[in-house]
Amino acid sequence: GAVVSQHPSWVICKSGTSVKIECRSLDFQATTMFWYRQFPKQSLMLMATSNEGSKATYEQGVEKDKFLINHASLTLSTLTVTSAHPEDSSFYICSASFLAGGTDTQYFGPGTRLTVL
Amino acid sequence: GENVEQHPSTLSVQEGDSAVIKCTYSDSASNYFPWYKQELGKRPQLIIDIRSNVGEKKDQRIAVTLNKTAKHFSLHITETQPEDSAVYFCARGMNTGFQKLVFGTGTRLLVSP
Repeated sequence: GAVVSQHPSWVICKSGTSVKIECRSLDFQATTMFWYRQFPKQSLMLMATSNEGSKATYEQGVEKDKFLINHASLTLSTLTVTSAHPEDSSFYICSASFLAGGTDTQYFGPGTRLTVL
Repeated sequence: GENVEQHPSTLSVQEGDSAVIKCTYSDSASNYFPWYKQELGKRPQLIIDIRSNVGEKKDQRIAVTLNKTAKHFSLHITETQPEDSAVYFCARGMNTGFQKLVFGTGTRLLVSP
């Protein structure tokens, strides 16, 4: 149980285009999903917290108009990188909270490697 | 502040030795401390976690200890194997109703056969 999928696994796009990344919880309902960004050989940096049916909460320094998050259902959250630039190239990972036995644990998706040319 | 300090950044051990990774934090509101293992290009995988009502938790070769007074927690891996080689991240959960995690900087563990 507690499987999280992400699509696509990698994407290459031209500068100025937009890219959508999907994050799905496959066997559980996730009230809360999280989006992280990881640059090579660095740690995971939380970008935003996504709650089903409400606006995402962005971390300081993350532009909400550039990184659009939609959490339309309990099993799907999407991250759209708008007007992508080479500096947006990174590994984007989502996670979903799985509640069991009164405690919640985060399970991560496989990540999406974005390369902006 | 919010950061989690993690040491060492790299750790090389011989197969069969023990490995210890330490993390410190400053936010006393933290009450959840997971450890994740990440292999190159793959997702972080939860290997063990501890909540602030306990001081130690063990799962086979892996153990985590928590000292909430001193605000530090450690990962202990015994009888290391080459397949334990990966990057390990500690994290702390902020008590905001959902487990927003702040990650440490990571430790690259290399286990040589």
